[in-house]
This record gives sequence, C-alpha cells and structure tokens, in this order.
Amino acid sequence: AQKVTQAQTEISVVEKEDVTLDCVYETRDTTYYLFWYKQPPSGELVFLIRRNSFDEQNEISGRYSWNFQKSTSSFNFTITASQVVDSAVYFCALSEAYRGDKIIFGKGTRLHILP
Amino acid sequence: ETGVTQTPRHLVMGMTNKKSLKCEQHLGHNAMYWYKQSAKKPLELMFVYNFKEQTENNSVPSRFSPECPNSSHLFLHLHTLQPEDSALYLCASSQDGGARATNEKLFFGSGTQLSVL
Repeated sequence: AQKVTQAQTEISVVEKEDVTLDCVYETRDTTYYLFWYKQPPSGELVFLIRRNSFDEQNEISGRYSWNFQKSTSSFNFTITASQVVDSAVYFCALSEAYRGDKIIFGKGTRLHILP
Repeated sequence: ETGVTQTPRHLVMGMTNKKSLKCEQHLGHNAMYWYKQSAKKPLELMFVYNFKEQTENNSVPSRFSPECPNSSHLFLHLHTLQPEDSALYLCASSQDGGARATNEKLFFGSGTQLSVL
C-alpha cells in the first residue's frame, strides 16, 4: 500500500533561518511521482514541485530546494532564509505512474515563520 | 479570477438539511476532483471525474453525491450528514484523469468549510 509520512506536525522558526520539512514515502511501484504542495491560510493548495522516481537529482528553485533519496524513501524540502510569507501548511504527496489522478497526501507540516 | 472557484466558502447545516457545494474551473481541464480535509487527517480523495465520467469513488458514503454535468463544473450534493463530516472540502482540476492521467499537477480551489450541527 502507498503511504506518505510527514512526521513533523508543526515547526516554528525565526525569519531568515533555514528549515527542512521531512517526507518519507512507501510504495511497491518502481515508477511513481512525488509532489510538494503549499496551503496558505487562504485554503487552496498550490503546487510546488513534481519529481518522478527515475530522477534523483536534487532541485533548487530560488530559496526552495528538494532532496530526493530513493535509498531512504525520502523527499525532503528545505526553505533557505525563510520569510514570514512562507508560513503555511506543506503537504508531501505520492502518485502511481498509471493513475496519476490518485494522489496520496501526507498529513502536512504546519510551518510558522516568526518575525 | 482564480482558476478553480468554489462556492460557498462557508456552510453550516443541520443533519437533516440538503445542500450542494459547487466547483467551477476555468482552465480547460478534463479532470475534476473532490477532496476532504479534516483536522488531524490526511487529505482524502473522494471522487474523480474525467471527461464527465466518474473514474474513482473512494468508498465515500452515499450521503455524499457528486455530479459533473460538464468538464468545467462539479457539484457535491449533501444530505443527512453527520457531525463527523464537518471538514474543508476542496475541489481540484487537472488536465487529464483516469488512465490518461500523466501525473501533472493539480489546481485547487480555496475550499468550502462545512460545519454539520
């Protein structure tokens, strides 16, 4: 069965600190996709990144970076020099290769960036 | 105007009421979804529609009845709900769904916060 675990329920850091959100997944598929979504207070989830299981290259987008390690089944998300606007709930998610519409989400990590 | 619009934003209903949630997407997508977000639980996929056809019903109780009259509109009809059904109901869309889904990203609405008294 597929499962996504975000062990950190809530994190608080002071602005400008770096913070890493952990994500561990379980799947029997050899081909799968991993996602991160951000849910600001307004409610809608916003797509951040998608990676497929064959691409283990780390990715950087501005202050955001992602570390994908198949050996540990982890897909961690790091925010560098955090800002107050980064305060949100962040969800890690997983989907099967041939049912990309069945996305399994983790419980989310609520991130507070303190001014 | 955002890509996915949900109405109402908030809804309070009694257990014997009948109400409907509405979702509209302006992105030209072919797949639409209902998700339920409860406190302390992961986002739960409820229904998937692809080209107006339901391709997924994730063991949702019959007191939730979806309707997809066209690829741009999705409804969730509610009747005789229970207090434990109180949650944020999120609608989403993507370019394709079902067997044609290519794992592209979902676009979400802001949700309807439902309270069942």
